[in-house]
Amino acid sequence: GAVVSQHPSWVICKSGTSVKIECRSLDFQATTMFWYRQFPKQSLMLMATSNEGSKATYEQGVEKDKFLINHASLTLSTLTVTSAHPEDSSFYICSARGTSTYNEQFFGPGTRLTVL
Amino acid sequence: AQTVTQSQPEMSVQEAETVTLSCTYDTSESNYYLFWYKQPPSRQMILVIRQEAYKQQNATENRFSVNFQKAAKSFSLKISDSQLGDTAMYFCAFPPTGANSKLTFGKGITLSVRP
Repeated sequence: GAVVSQHPSWVICKSGTSVKIECRSLDFQATTMFWYRQFPKQSLMLMATSNEGSKATYEQGVEKDKFLINHASLTLSTLTVTSAHPEDSSFYICSARGTSTYNEQFFGPGTRLTVL
Repeated sequence: AQTVTQSQPEMSVQEAETVTLSCTYDTSESNYYLFWYKQPPSRQMILVIRQEAYKQQNATENRFSVNFQKAAKSFSLKISDSQLGDTAMYFCAFPPTGANSKLTFGKGITLSVRP
């Protein structure tokens, strides 16, 4: 099956620093990648959609300058949380969609970000 | 726009018993798919089962089956012979159709399987 990896799986950083999270599709080319944020016991909240080689589309209320997304290739997307603050602490999940008939998304294992 | 509703926040079931998780949805599309995802404590999202709306036959994957009622826009998940490893959050989801490019999730339900 399609595999998506995320790195790092967890990260702790100081307030004011930037953190980069990588999302890779390992065995398929992902035309579209998605970034989600999830709080405990809640559903996934879509932050942005990125297509390879073009600018990401952000959901309403998501700060573009805070959450920088780059989709440089068909197998790699990155999310950079700039000038992180404690309220940015959360679980971030990426997913990738290839050319499945079902428009299925394959999810990475997630990254837990803690900002001190 | 599609909407997905899961009204039960939590459920509990005894090991080896059967449990049904409810989901309703709304859409103006006629051809579409529906998914159930499982998120165990590891938090890895796992696709449990998918249903194609044009198929009258309910999808089945081992101990997991759906009761798909298209007219009622209902898509419930039945887990038979519940196992401790079924303990997880379960999300009903509506994949992109037409001009909509987003996967629409329900709020999720936390299922606990008791030994």
